[in-house]
Amino acid sequence: TQLLEQSPQFLSIQEGENLTVYCNSSSVFSSLQWYRQEPGEGPVLLVTVVTGGEVKKLKRLTFQFGDARKDSSLHITAAQTGDTGLYLCAGREGGNQFYFGTGTSLTVIP
Amino acid sequence: NAGVMQNPRHLVRRRGQEARLRCSPVKGHSHVYWYRQLPEEGLKFMVYLQKENIIDESGMPKERFSAEFPKEGPSILRIQQVVRGDSAAYFCASSGALNTEAFFGQGTRLTVV
Repeated sequence: TQLLEQSPQFLSIQEGENLTVYCNSSSVFSSLQWYRQEPGEGPVLLVTVVTGGEVKKLKRLTFQFGDARKDSSLHITAAQTGDTGLYLCAGREGGNQFYFGTGTSLTVIP
Repeated sequence: NAGVMQNPRHLVRRRGQEARLRCSPVKGHSHVYWYRQLPEEGLKFMVYLQKENIIDESGMPKERFSAEFPKEGPSILRIQQVVRGDSAAYFCASSGALNTEAFFGQGTRLTVV
């Protein structure tokens, strides 16, 4: 059973464009993390959101946690080639177990 | 990656051999998670351990796979009698009891020939 579904699965855009990646679930999470993974490397934590409706900004990246704490979005403004990678969301239900999404593979074309 | 160390980074095994993957968590972290990743795919949960205890192994195959996190030393993921289908990247993450985040190691890439 896949608790977290991410969309789109693959995304290819031109440098300078904006994009949004979605992470959806029917489960409520006590916290949700976004990671970025580059080929051959481990996932690197970008942000954690905890409160329903919370919005966090990290330079050109904006993360939002849904009011019901079941979904999240990642918006990137003016994408750069360095943003290329696999974006993963992960939710924590209350215990210590983390559930990962299916991933969104982003390619930014120069 | 906040100090999670995995070794080896690359491991080649012949079919039928054993693979032992090691994970040293961030100092002070008592929770370890193992994930498996195939190319172009997300992370698939395998097992979650706290010191000396397996909390959830629902994602780990019942046969040939085992994991431990002893009181002293790293967590070990052991795969006996490896088959080609075991070829993948295996990632370990750790978290503290009161933290919400998990930090990942750089993974071990297992190739079975």
